[in-house]
Amino acid sequence: DVKVTQSSRYLVKRTGEKVFLECVQDMDHENMFWYRQDPGLGLRLIYFSYDVKMKEKGDIPEGYSVSREKKERFSLILESASTNQTSMYLCASSLPTGKRGQPQHFGDGTRLSIL
Amino acid sequence: GNSVTQMEGPVTLSEEAFLTINCTYTATGYPSLFWYVQYPGEGLQLLLKATKADDKGSNKGFEATYRKETTSFHLEKGSVQVSDSAVYFCALGRETGNQFYFGTGTSLTVIP
Repeated sequence: DVKVTQSSRYLVKRTGEKVFLECVQDMDHENMFWYRQDPGLGLRLIYFSYDVKMKEKGDIPEGYSVSREKKERFSLILESASTNQTSMYLCASSLPTGKRGQPQHFGDGTRLSIL
Repeated sequence: GNSVTQMEGPVTLSEEAFLTINCTYTATGYPSLFWYVQYPGEGLQLLLKATKADDKGSNKGFEATYRKETTSFHLEKGSVQVSDSAVYFCALGRETGNQFYFGTGTSLTVIP
């Protein structure tokens, strides 16, 4: 089975801190994604990457950056954390969409609180 | 553009009741369609999928049929259990490109 591992289940940080969320997948997937999940808003795409060192902005990239130096690892960075970034963050990976019907595989999420 | 609309919750059912969660989509081309389930405190797990018109995805007693004429992918289960209590997400994967589009989720609570 595909395993997507997020480094922390719960994280508490302070306003203004630089925050790193790490995600590792073990299935050699080309695509990796970062979402945030908020009540009533569903999943919103922050950034995704379709190859090492490649990244594309999703729907809500402001205040975030990403890094993908190795194929299996995709990091989300909150440059200067703010309280409105308190949320559940979900990482996912997948094979390229060209392989029809390929699902995204999710980690267990990181619940981040910014105080 | 591409989008997914699913029925708003929360939905509360008694054990053994019939479940339907509606999902409709807007897409160009021929997307793949998915249902995911999220149990409390966990990430999303793939529940079932369908890749072309009239395909039926099924898993754990849940079913959904890809209806191109009505652009729908409704989730059904004949007899729900307490353990089915979770949030259910409908999603669309494009033919090309790498993004998915998710509905806002429907919370289901099954009471004994």
